[in-house]
Amino acid sequence: QVTLKESGPALVKPTQTLTLTCTLSGFSLSPSGMCVSWFRQTPGKALEWLARIDWDDDKYYSTSLKTRLTISKDTSKKQVVLTMTNMDPVDTATYYCARKQGLWGYDSWGQGTLVTVSS
Amino acid sequence: EIVLTQSPGTVSLSPGERATLSCRASQSVSVSYVAWYQQKPGQAPRLLIYGASNRASGIPDRFSGSGSGTDFTLTISRLEPEDFAVYYCQQYGILPETFGQGTRLEIK
Repeated sequence: QVTLKESGPALVKPTQTLTLTCTLSGFSLSPSGMCVSWFRQTPGKALEWLARIDWDDDKYYSTSLKTRLTISKDTSKKQVVLTMTNMDPVDTATYYCARKQGLWGYDSWGQGTLVTVSS
Repeated sequence: EIVLTQSPGTVSLSPGERATLSCRASQSVSVSYVAWYQQKPGQAPRLLIYGASNRASGIPDRFSGSGSGTDFTLTISRLEPEDFAVYYCQQYGILPETFGQGTRLEIK
């Protein structure tokens, strides 16, 4: 069974760095065409794509956030990690990770983790 | 970046009726890279359609997708009570990947 699970702090202070981990189960990031992305969603708002890492370690970032984001993977641990620097209250959101295979869209999503930025 | 505009913002329909949701892109998108998702309160998005017209695994055949270029459509042929949710279109062919703002499908 394919699952993804996000983990990380529920509360961070402004200016701190957020580190989120997506733990994969039931599949590997090794096969050609496999990738994992991070998304976020503020309450009542639309989805926002943040970053993506591919099976070959290519990395892609949101244009507006690229200076603050770093995505990495540990294939042996089956984890994908996202860091976001200089957190601000406007970054308060539910953060999701999801996997995509080639052209097939994001077919499996984590349950999401709510991150609140507040002093 | 490609802006996706969904319409209507909210639609009120009754079970058994047909729903037609629109997604318009600010520039041409390859059909291979258009998806539709359903999201219910407190849940993660669920993939319905990929490649503009391919149903994802386990998705009922009352859901169908169509379109090309800049105009894409999600159709739900006969609404079931569980279909009332928010629907998002997404393009993942040109970076950055982008979503529409969503269409809320509510019970009339």
